[in-house]
Amino acid sequence: GAGVSQSPSNKVTEKGKDVELRCDPISGHTALYWYRQSLGQGLEFLIYFQGNSAPDKSGLPSDRFSAERTGGSVSTLTIQRTQQEDSAVYLCASSLVVDSPLHFGNGTRLTVT
Amino acid sequence: QKEVEQNSGPLSVPEGAIASLNCTYSDRGSQSFFWYRQYSGKSPELIMFIYSNGDKEDGRFTAQLNKASQYVSLLIRDSQPSDSATYLCAVKMNSGGSNYKLTFGKGTLLTVNP
Repeated sequence: GAGVSQSPSNKVTEKGKDVELRCDPISGHTALYWYRQSLGQGLEFLIYFQGNSAPDKSGLPSDRFSAERTGGSVSTLTIQRTQQEDSAVYLCASSLVVDSPLHFGNGTRLTVT
Repeated sequence: QKEVEQNSGPLSVPEGAIASLNCTYSDRGSQSFFWYRQYSGKSPELIMFIYSNGDKEDGRFTAQLNKASQYVSLLIRDSQPSDSATYLCAVKMNSGGSNYKLTFGKGTLLTVNP
């Protein structure tokens, strides 16, 4: 595709439910990133993929968060047993190689009620 | 703690003026520097990147980098109301092998008044 695609664009879920967020990076981009942006806050790094491997998971807030990437392309961020503090915009970005600029998708706005 | 610092603003300039946005970073080993624009409710959009000391110009935008002072800035000439947005400074810090991680400042809100 022409850009990074994320789905769903909005997700409202009840506290305690699991959610899956999807990211389709720009075709050919080897690096993929997940960030989180809470209201009025800066972008918080969550995880980085190079190919299908995640060398750095240090940004994941807790063990309720996990992510995978398959085929060097699509990535899924899963949040189990969601909490209200998980409410945020989850942004996916990709870059051609690790030193290239990041290009962001439109994000998934997650609201936990 | 490796950080990127920006004045949160708001920075208000009249239409046609030069807007100057500033950013400092803590990791002296940083190699790559980026400016993103984020409109309210939208995702960040890449404006410019700079790797070497000095100035880099692209249209109305100029990025300036001074690694000795650990300072990077973005100048917007002939500011337009459509430039009103939050501007995010981002740095790839190479220390500890983390050359992939882009660390963002919290952004400066720019308002261009007609």
